[in-house]
Amino acid sequence: AQSVTQLGSHVSVSEGALVLLRCNYSSSVPPYLFWYVQYPNQGLQLLLKYTSAATLVKGINGFEAEFKKSETSFHLTKPSAHMSDAAEYFCAVSGTSGTYKYIFGTGTRLKVLA
Amino acid sequence: NAGVMQNPRHLVRRRGQEARLRCSPMKGHSHVYWYRQLPEEGLKFMVYLQKENIIDESGMPKERFSAEFPKEGPSILRIQQVVRGDSAAYFCASSPPGSPNTEAFFGQGTRLTVV
Repeated sequence: AQSVTQLGSHVSVSEGALVLLRCNYSSSVPPYLFWYVQYPNQGLQLLLKYTSAATLVKGINGFEAEFKKSETSFHLTKPSAHMSDAAEYFCAVSGTSGTYKYIFGTGTRLKVLA
Repeated sequence: NAGVMQNPRHLVRRRGQEARLRCSPMKGHSHVYWYRQLPEEGLKFMVYLQKENIIDESGMPKERFSAEFPKEGPSILRIQQVVRGDSAAYFCASSPPGSPNTEAFFGQGTRLTVV
C-alpha cells in the first residue's frame, strides 16, 4: 500500500525566509509524486511533479522539490517566502502508475508573517 | 481552453434529500476522478471513471453514493438521502488518456452542506 505523511499541519515563516514543507512517502513501486497548492475556497493547482526523471524538480512560483529515494522524501522548498504563498499545500503519490488515483497527505497550512 | 468545470460551487441540502454534483472535464480528457475533502483533512479518492465505465470505485461508500460518466454530458456524483456526515468539499479531476507523465487537473470543487 502507498501512503504519504506530511509533517507539520501548520507552518509559519516570515516574509523573505526559507519555506520548507516536509513530505515522506511509502511505496512498493517507483512512485510518481506531486505537490499541489490550494488557496481558500479554490481547487488544487499543481506546483510540481516527479515522474522518475530528474530528482530535483522545479515548479511554478519559485518552488522546487527534491526526490530522495534513500530517505523516501519529497520535501518542498522555496528560498524566499512571499505573502501570496499563504495557502494549504498537499503532497500526493499516485496509487497506480498510469492513472491518477492520488493518495494525498493531510496537508500543511503555510502562514507567511509580514 | 476551459478548465475542469464543477457545478454548483455550493450546495445546501436537508437531511434525506438527494445531491447531484456535476463535473465537465477539460476538452479532450476522457478520465475523471472524484475526491472528497472533509474539514481539516486531505482529499480522499472516491471513484475513477472513463466514458461510460467505472474503472475503480474502491473509495466510494457502499450505500447512497453513485457516479456516472455518460457518453455525452458531464460526470455526475449522486448522493442519495444525504446525512450531516456527507458535508464536505467534493473535487473532480480530469486527465487525458495515455502517458502517466501528464497531470490531473482539478476543478474548484462543490461544497456540500447538509442541514
